[in-house]
Amino acid sequence: AQSVTQLGSHVSVSEGALVLLRCNYSSSVPPYLFWYVQYPNQGLQLLLKYTSAATLVKGINGFEAEFKKSETSFHLTKPSAHMSDAAEYFCAVSEGSAGANNLFFGTGTRLTVIP
Amino acid sequence: GAGVSQSPSNKVTEKGKDVELRCDPISGHTALYWYRQSLGQGLEFLIYFQGNSAPDKSGLPSDRFSAERTGGSVSTLTIQRTQQEDSAVYLCASSSPGTSEETQYFGPGTRLLVL
Repeated sequence: AQSVTQLGSHVSVSEGALVLLRCNYSSSVPPYLFWYVQYPNQGLQLLLKYTSAATLVKGINGFEAEFKKSETSFHLTKPSAHMSDAAEYFCAVSEGSAGANNLFFGTGTRLTVIP
Repeated sequence: GAGVSQSPSNKVTEKGKDVELRCDPISGHTALYWYRQSLGQGLEFLIYFQGNSAPDKSGLPSDRFSAERTGGSVSTLTIQRTQQEDSAVYLCASSSPGTSEETQYFGPGTRLLVL
């Protein structure tokens, strides 16, 4: 069975500061891992995904995440926060092919960027 | 179309009434998913269609929930005898497994309020 834990339901950072959103997973098989972003009143947008290739994954809007098997983690980072990054972020895990299996989501982390 | 579309965007109904939510996936995507996003439960998988295979209904919370996918394209999620706890945002996603489009793309959701 798969599951995802996102530590911190709310994270606040100053504009220009490092963004770090934590995600730990459990999976009985090699996982596919995803970060999605949800802006207010919008659907989910894929930021990046890990599908067993490079462990450091670069996504859109300057975000990246590193898959660490030994720590069962897939934390999301961005060197410098922008006001436009304020949104809710979801980590998700899938068993097997990324598009052919349902996703198990974490409970989300709401990011606030302080000017 | 350019993306996944869902209708209606908002639905208010009275307890006990039936509702139908519609999802139009990205053209050519063979896989379609329904998820529910609610305050207490986060994002939950409901049901998954892949081509002509029998759908994976393992996430449906009760027999009041059902879904169809006609002609391998449009899907309708039906909730019978709605309850207040059904109030949530219902998200649809589509993908094309085994291709470069295997990532799940989400629609904007239908916000359901049961009074």
